[in-house]
Amino acid sequence: AQSVTQPDARVTVSEGASLQLRCKYSYSATPYLFWYVQYPRQGLQLLLKYYSGDPVVQGVNSFEAEFSKSNSSFHLQKASVHWSDSAVYFCALSPGGNKLTFGIGTRVLVRP
Amino acid sequence: NAGVIQTPRHKVTGKGQEATLWCEPISGHSAVFWYRQTIVQGLEFLTYFRNQAPIDDSGMPKERFSAQMPNQSHSTLKIQSTQPQDSAVYLCASSLDWGGVDTQYFGPGTRLLVL
Repeated sequence: AQSVTQPDARVTVSEGASLQLRCKYSYSATPYLFWYVQYPRQGLQLLLKYYSGDPVVQGVNSFEAEFSKSNSSFHLQKASVHWSDSAVYFCALSPGGNKLTFGIGTRVLVRP
Repeated sequence: NAGVIQTPRHKVTGKGQEATLWCEPISGHSAVFWYRQTIVQGLEFLTYFRNQAPIDDSGMPKERFSAQMPNQSHSTLKIQSTQPQDSAVYLCASSLDWGGVDTQYFGPGTRLLVL
């Protein structure tokens, strides 16, 4: 069985500061990996995805993530956050590219 | 493109009543997924259709829950005899399902409250 762990339930950062959200996965092979964001009262929106190739993946709104097979991790980063980045961020995996297994999510609050 | 459409956005039912949730996938997408989101359990996969055929319902509760996709333009999730623990946001997603790293596009969800 597969699983996704997001160890930080909440993260608070100041506007303009950098952000890193941690994600670790458990799966016997390399899965498809995703980061989604959920703004208040909205559905999930894809930030970026990874399956193979360059372990650093660029996504929307200047987000990027780095895959590490040795650490079974897929951490999300942004160099300089804006107040509009306040949201809940979900890491997810899919063994075969279809159904998603999500982490519990990390709520990000950006202080002005 | 209107995205994935889910109706209703909010539904309140009494314990024991039936609830039917509707999802209209993005036109041209062949895969439809249903997920449930709660504070306690987070986001959980329920079921998945490809070209209207049920592919994987491993996340569906064995009793009271059923899903159908009668045509390519909509899918329904039906909950019979609703219970308070069914209260959740039910999310529908669709994808092209071409066999690669498909992006699932999510609807805004239906917030179900069972009193």
